[in-house]
Amino acid sequence: DIVMTQSPDSLAVSLGERATINCKSSRSVLYSSDNKNYLAWYQHKPGQPPKLLIYWASTRESGVPDRFSGSGSGTDFALTITSLQAEDVALYYCQQYYGTPRTFGQGTKVEIK
Amino acid sequence: QVQLQESGPGLVKPSETLSLTCTVSGGSINNYYWSWIRQPPGKGLEWIGFISSIGTTSYNPSLKSRVTISVDTSKNQFSLKLTSVTAADTAVYYCARDARGVDVWGQGTTVTVSS
Repeated sequence: DIVMTQSPDSLAVSLGERATINCKSSRSVLYSSDNKNYLAWYQHKPGQPPKLLIYWASTRESGVPDRFSGSGSGTDFALTITSLQAEDVALYYCQQYYGTPRTFGQGTKVEIK
Repeated sequence: QVQLQESGPGLVKPSETLSLTCTVSGGSINNYYWSWIRQPPGKGLEWIGFISSIGTTSYNPSLKSRVTISVDTSKNQFSLKLTSVTAADTAVYYCARDARGVDVWGQGTTVTVSS
């Protein structure tokens, strides 16, 4: 299985400031035949299903605000929220869809400082 | 816009079989992979497995001996069966579409295993 490890487990950021979440995979999720990283990011709020934010490591899903961005390749990835808003308080997960079983990071809780 | 809705019992007795169905509306079930994902209370997301519209399956090895996922394209539905459940199977269960990550999720249904 590909193990996904996120850091930190939680972070508190002031409104309008930058939040960065890291995700490391135990094996590369870069598929050589199409040069795509099979890595997604989700936002999960209580009582709601997770919401896809980013796929192919850096492509924003339709309707996702541009303050959310994804970066990285191979085994090291990051999700950045450039100007944290109150509605961004949530759990964030990375997930690899390079292979099966699909695996998620343990989650990072983002709060307002 | 594709929507997913889980249905099934919210309470299952220990050692019995958990059965859930996901109905796909607003689009066809064909040409995609369809997943079941769960979240136990206070824990993270766990992928249970998926099925293609032609019935190809893949399961999480941690659950493989107890899981069956099936598809009924005529009804635009897919289903989950998890046998010999214990309290550790108590969770919110989501059905979802596997496409460049998981791009469509059901609202989730809470299943409690208790006598």
